[in-house]
Amino acid sequence: QVQLQESGPGLVKPSETLSLTCTVSGASVSSSYWSWIRQPPGKGLEWIGYIYFSGSTSTNYNPSLKSRVTISVDASKTQFSLKLSSLSAADTAVYYCAKHWGPDYFFDYWGQGTLVTVSS
Amino acid sequence: DIVMTQSPDSLAVSLGEKATINCKSSQSVLHSSINKNYLAWYQQKPGQPPKLLINWASTRESGVPDRFSGSGSGTDFTLTISSLQAEDVAVYYCQQCHSTPYTFGQGTKLEIK
Repeated sequence: QVQLQESGPGLVKPSETLSLTCTVSGASVSSSYWSWIRQPPGKGLEWIGYIYFSGSTSTNYNPSLKSRVTISVDASKTQFSLKLSSLSAADTAVYYCAKHWGPDYFFDYWGQGTLVTVSS
Repeated sequence: DIVMTQSPDSLAVSLGEKATINCKSSQSVLHSSINKNYLAWYQQKPGQPPKLLINWASTRESGVPDRFSGSGSGTDFTLTISSLQAEDVAVYYCQQCHSTPYTFGQGTKLEIK
């Protein structure tokens, strides 16, 4: 059974960088694509980007966030991470990590999500 | 970006009745060479992550009740719940994975009348 769990700070200050980690169990991080998706309170879903690792690493980011986003993977720890810089209140959201089989596949497993609030 | 537009934004249906949610994409999400629509439907209940219900526009995920069905092709898609149950109260989203950035519809809130 594949399980994903997000972890990271719940409160971050404006202009700072958010760092979140997704820990994967029941699957190898080298066998699938891994995405970050966010959802502002009471609003819809926004895809942030994905990473694929199989020897070499491939990433794809939403152009709306590309200048501020970095997604990386630590295969030895079965984790992948999100860094989002220059935070503002508009980045307040529940952040989800999710798995998909390929670049044109659906998100079949999701973490429970972690709420990140950007506030001073 | 492919814009996904759902209708209606909210819907109230009596228990046992049919619920229909529509999703329209700003460009086709059909890969004609393999005749697959890169369109999924998700169900999200309060405090939970989205759950994949239907992929390739019409294929139910394992364990999803058969009262849920998806149809459509190209740019116009429909999620139908044939006989609404109390546990179906949720927000439903369509999503395209035809091209990045992947995009979701704005969501349709389904309630009991």
